[in-house]
Amino acid sequence: AQSVTQLGSHVSVSEGALVLLRCNYSSSVPPYLFWYVQYPNQGLQLLLKYTTGATLVKGINGFEAEFKKSETSFHLTKPSAHMSDAAEYFCALQNSGGSNYKLTFGKGTLLTVNP
Amino acid sequence: GAGVSQSPSNKVTEKGKDVELRCDPISGHTALYWYRQSLGQGLEFLIYFQGNSAPDKSGLPSDRFSAERTGGSVSTLTIQRTQQEDSAVYLCASSLAHSSYEQYFGPGTRLTVT
Repeated sequence: AQSVTQLGSHVSVSEGALVLLRCNYSSSVPPYLFWYVQYPNQGLQLLLKYTTGATLVKGINGFEAEFKKSETSFHLTKPSAHMSDAAEYFCALQNSGGSNYKLTFGKGTLLTVNP
Repeated sequence: GAGVSQSPSNKVTEKGKDVELRCDPISGHTALYWYRQSLGQGLEFLIYFQGNSAPDKSGLPSDRFSAERTGGSVSTLTIQRTQQEDSAVYLCASSLAHSSYEQYFGPGTRLTVT
């Protein structure tokens, strides 16, 4: 069975500070990994994804994440937080094999940005 | 172009009533997913449609839940004899067929069972 663990259900940072949202995964096959963002009363929007190749992936809005197989991690970072980054962030895993491409999500991390 | 749309955006129903939730995927997307987002359980997979293949229903929580996809496009999720624990946001997503392609999510339907 595959699973995703997001450490910290709530992270609070000051505007301009580093954002670090943690994600660890468990999978018996090489995973594809995703970060989604959800603003209040909206659906999920893809920030970035890792499938194959370069392990450091860059996404929208200045976010990036690094796939570390040895640590089974896919942490999301942004050098300088902006007020507009306040939202809930979900790490998700997809099985790279098989025929069902469903996403398995972590519980989410609510990011608060303080002025 | 148009994204994934869902209707209604909000639905309040009485316990024991049946409800239907609708999803219009992005044109050309052959894969369609339903997920449920609730406070206690987070985001859970419900069901997956891919082209003309039999759907993967492995995430449906009980036999009160069913879904269909007509003509490879619009999908309807039906919940019979609703219970209070069915209260959640139901999200629909669509994608091109292959894994690694982005799943595009609709805004969701917020279901409240009173």
